[in-house]
Amino acid sequence: EVQLVQSGGGLVQPGGSLRLSCVASGFTFSKYGMSWVRQAPGKGLEWVSSVSDSGGSTYYADSVKGRFTVSRDNAKNTLNLQMNSLRGEDTAVYYCAVGGGYYSGAAWYMRPFDSWGQGSLVTVSS
Amino acid sequence: DIVMTQSPDSLAVSLGERATINCKSSQSVLYSSSNKNYLAWYQQKPGQPPKLLVYWASTRESGVPDRFSGSGSGTDFTLTISSLQAEDVAVYYCQQYYSSRQFTFGGGTKVEIK
Repeated sequence: EVQLVQSGGGLVQPGGSLRLSCVASGFTFSKYGMSWVRQAPGKGLEWVSSVSDSGGSTYYADSVKGRFTVSRDNAKNTLNLQMNSLRGEDTAVYYCAVGGGYYSGAAWYMRPFDSWGQGSLVTVSS
Repeated sequence: DIVMTQSPDSLAVSLGERATINCKSSQSVLYSSSNKNYLAWYQQKPGQPPKLLVYWASTRESGVPDRFSGSGSGTDFTLTISSLQAEDVAVYYCQQYYSSRQFTFGGGTKVEIK
């Protein structure tokens, strides 16, 4: 059974930093792209960032580019999202998900987000 | 960037009746080489993470009831719930995964019981 256990949310002041983590189990983590999606209170889903299976390719939404950094540690089955220069509009529940781009042999594949973490609430407020 | 537009924003359907949700992409999400549409549908109930229902526009995820079906190609897609059940009350989202640079979601459609 696929499990994604998230940690690291909380209250932070504007301009501050926070790091989210997502520990995966139940599948071969190193073979799958991983992603982060957020949901502001009462709003819809917004894709935030994705990282390829090896970690060699990373992608960001324009709204977080230059402020957020996605990374992964395949030895520890862990996905991370480092969030800097946080703003009020970054307040949201953040979900990690299995899905995105990955290599199989020399070919690049894309897959939807088929498993999700429980979500971590990030509140940016003074 | 690919923009995903869903309609309607909300709909109320009687139990046992059909619910239809539309999703339009600003450019085609059909890869001609594979003849696959990189379009997924998700269901989200209050307080829960989203759940994948349909991928490749029309392939049901394992365990998803067959009253859920996806159709369409290119830029126009539909999610149909053939006979609405009480447990189907949720918000439904479409998503394109054609572009690895921007995995955009639609704005969501809230489905309620009439």
